Amino acid sequence: DVKVTQSSRYLVKRTGEKVFLECVQDMDHENMFWYRQDPGLGLRLIYFSYDVKMKEKGDIPEGYSVSREKKERFSLILESASTNQTSMYLCASSPPSNEQYFGPGTRLTVT
Amino acid sequence: AQSVTQPDIHITVSEGASLELRCNYSYGATPYLFWYVQSPGQGLQLLLKYFSGDTLVQGIKGFEAEFKRSQSSFNLRKPSVHWSDAAEYFCAVGPANQAGTALIFGKGTTLSVSS
Repeated sequence: DVKVTQSSRYLVKRTGEKVFLECVQDMDHENMFWYRQDPGLGLRLIYFSYDVKMKEKGDIPEGYSVSREKKERFSLILESASTNQTSMYLCASSPPSNEQYFGPGTRLTVT
Repeated sequence: AQSVTQPDIHITVSEGASLELRCNYSYGATPYLFWYVQSPGQGLQLLLKYFSGDTLVQGIKGFEAEFKRSQSSFNLRKPSVHWSDAAEYFCAVGPANQAGTALIFGKGTTLSVSS
């Protein structure tokens, strides 16, 4: 079974803090994704990566950056957290056939 | 524009009744199609996928979906709903034979099951 893990299920941070969300997959997938999910807005793609050190902006990259130094790990970075970044963050990975496998999510609260 | 539409935001069905969740897509290329389920506070779980071939695909938990190219639809069905099926369901579309591309997700349908 594909397993995608995220470093935290719940996280509380203060405005202005630098926040790291980590995602690890164990299936040697080339592609990895970060989404945020908000009520009424569905899933919105922040960034994705199709190879090590490669990244592509998604629909809402502002205020975020990513890092992929190893194939199995994809990190989402909030350079200076703001209250409007309070959300559920979902990581996913996919093989070339593009079906995505999701982690359990991190619910981030920025106060 | 590429998009996925799930017309029903919220559906309530009685336990034991049949279920159909609608999904329509607009996509320029040959699509791969997916249905996901999300329980509260959890990530998304892949229910089923359509790549090619038989237009009726079977998934996990007794779900099936039918691809209708002429209607640009990929509706999800279940003959008899169980209380544990209460969750949010997402339809998604992606390009066939083009690796490394993000999927487009619908906004989801919340399913409630009444006893």
